[in-house]
Amino acid sequence: AQSVTQLGSHVSVSEGALVLLRCNYSSSVPPYLFWYVQYPNQGLQLLLKYTSAATLVKGINGFEAEFKKSETSFHLTKPSAHMSDAAEYFCAVSDSEGFKTIFGAGTRLFVKA
Amino acid sequence: EAEVAQSPRYKITEKSQAVAFWCDPISGHATLYWYRQILGQGPELLVQFQDESVVDDSQLPKDRFSAERLKGVDSTLKIQPAELGDSAMYLCASRNRDTQYFGPGTRLTVL
Repeated sequence: AQSVTQLGSHVSVSEGALVLLRCNYSSSVPPYLFWYVQYPNQGLQLLLKYTSAATLVKGINGFEAEFKKSETSFHLTKPSAHMSDAAEYFCAVSDSEGFKTIFGAGTRLFVKA
Repeated sequence: EAEVAQSPRYKITEKSQAVAFWCDPISGHATLYWYRQILGQGPELLVQFQDESVVDDSQLPKDRFSAERLKGVDSTLKIQPAELGDSAMYLCASRNRDTQYFGPGTRLTVL
C-alpha cells in the first residue's frame, strides 16, 4: 500500500529565506510523486511532478524537488521565499497503473516579512 | 488554458437535506475523480470514473452518497441526507496521462 508522510504541519520562514518542506513516501512499485499548492478556498494547483525521469525536478514559481529513492523522500525546496508563497502544500504519491493518488496531510507555509 | 469547472462554489444546507455538486472536466479527459477534503487534511478519494464507469468507489459512503457520469463527460455527486460531518471541501479532478488537474472545489457547510 502507498502512503505519504509530510513532516511538520506548519513551517514558518522569513521572506528571502530558504523554504524546505519534507515528504517521505512508501510504495511497492516505482511511484509517481507530486507536489501541489492550495490557497484558501481554492483547488489544488500542480507545482511539479516526478515520473521516473530526472531525479531533480523543477516546477513553477521557483520550486524544485529531488527524488531520493534510498531515502524514500521527495522534499520541496525554494531558495528564497516570497510572501505570495504562503499557502498549504501537499505531497502526493500515485501508482503508474490505476493512478490512485494518496495525499499527505499537508504543510502550511507561513512567510514572515 | 482549459480548466475543470465545479459548481456551486459554496453551499450551505441543513442536516437531512439533499445536496448535489456538479463537475465538468477538461475536454478529452477520460478519468474523473471526486475527493473530499476535511479542513486541515489532505484530499481523500471518494470515487474514480473511467469514462462512464466507476473504477473505484471503495471509500464512498454508499448509504448516503451517490455519483454518476452518465455520458462520460460531466459528473454529479449527491449527498442525501446530509449530516454535520459532511462539512468539507469537495474537489473534482480530471486526469491526462500521469497528472490530475483540480477544479476550484465546492465548500459544503451543513448546519
